[in-house]
Amino acid sequence: KAGVTQTPRYLIKTRGQQVTLSCSPISGHRSVSWYQQTPGQGLQFLFEYFSETQRNKGNFPGRFSGRQFSNSRSEMNVSTLELGDSALYLCASSLDGLHGTDTQYFGPGTRLTVL
Amino acid sequence: SQQGEEDPQALSIQEGENATMNCSYKTSINNLQWYRQNSGRGLVHLILIRSNEREKHSGRLRVTLDTSKKSSSLLITASRAADTASYFCLLGTYKYIFGTGTRLKVLA
Repeated sequence: KAGVTQTPRYLIKTRGQQVTLSCSPISGHRSVSWYQQTPGQGLQFLFEYFSETQRNKGNFPGRFSGRQFSNSRSEMNVSTLELGDSALYLCASSLDGLHGTDTQYFGPGTRLTVL
Repeated sequence: SQQGEEDPQALSIQEGENATMNCSYKTSINNLQWYRQNSGRGLVHLILIRSNEREKHSGRLRVTLDTSKKSSSLLITASRAADTASYFCLLGTYKYIFGTGTRLKVLA
């Protein structure tokens, strides 16, 4: 099976712009989670989608949003970018993932730089 | 904070030695997973241990879980230079929570 794929791999934006990142989960996986990784804050949970519905959400401002399509592919959007949004954004998929019961498989990440 | 705490933050050992890293947490969990990350790239899944398990092995990896102490340890035996990476624990709870990570350096 193909692994989790994320596009684009690298992105450079300027403050105030918005960005959309894409994640394709492993075939058959219905849960997709997103994480932000920064040197200062480490790995932080953004949100989780299951069957096109946001099932869980971390402590991030409303500028961070996401969605999931019927084929389980997911996108996350960050509006009005700030310098502090520069990070590695990781997507993970699992079969179900309810209450953290399944193994999560991670994609290679998208490196976002905000200038 | 609900974040898992890992120690040590950094560990440097010689090839062939064993490496042990620990993860402590505060919340109830369904399982605990360990991941490896090389140089800020994607996370590679190593092992999952469920809350009703006490020990699990996978190749050179041994993981223990003590839910009464809310802690887990990852032991890598006979370390190799290729094991140089950051290691993270991931708490399987209703919100996925990562540990702070241990940076392992294995010297050839």
